[in-house]
Amino acid sequence: DAKTTQPNSMESNEEEPVHLPCNHSTISGTDYIHWYRQLPSQGPEYVIHGLTSNVNNRMASLAIAEDRKSSTLILHRATLRDAVVYYCILSGSGGSNYKLTFGKGTLLTVNP
Amino acid sequence: NAGVMQNPRHLVRRRGQEARLRCSPMKGHSHVYWYRQLPEEGLKFMVYLQKENIIDESGMPKERFSAEFPKEGPSILRIQQVVRGDSAAYFCASSPASRGDYNEQFFGPGTRLTVL
Repeated sequence: DAKTTQPNSMESNEEEPVHLPCNHSTISGTDYIHWYRQLPSQGPEYVIHGLTSNVNNRMASLAIAEDRKSSTLILHRATLRDAVVYYCILSGSGGSNYKLTFGKGTLLTVNP
Repeated sequence: NAGVMQNPRHLVRRRGQEARLRCSPMKGHSHVYWYRQLPEEGLKFMVYLQKENIIDESGMPKERFSAEFPKEGPSILRIQQVVRGDSAAYFCASSPASRGDYNEQFFGPGTRLTVL
């Protein structure tokens, strides 16, 4: 499976935008890019996913580089509830896009 | 609209005992996935099931682990003769029947298994 690289931690201020980076230089043409987040002692929660084009939903935006070797999760206005771990994941190719492999993610700290 | 339910939330077993973890998918979801999160690691895929069928068990250990999703009732992940290395958080996720080439997975709160 293609791997992703994320910073271990990032810090932001409340009500400011946050850009969480992810590198995936070995991504294949059919791999989806997923973002999930996980609160302590809970299961992961879906945030957003994309293939080639930038995506927006009510939670966040996903900006995908033209060569697809990196992507950025954008939280438009950070709140204290956003201070959790964020995972950038590539799914398996060839129809196995259900197989998610989580790394250690980025722990986001939000300062009030 | 209840989410994915898992029980028990915490399970303690002694070495050699059996552990049975249950997962009830969201209403209307027919696809179930099990993941394991070892201490200090990320979640790893174990198995993907649809009703009465195992679709992909490539992440399951070859021995002692089995999973089922019967026509009626919850999905069960069964671990026989547990060892200390089985101590982990086990998460279940579900998704609806395929509507295209992507289905978001909805995760349950997990079962934390401790083997003494």
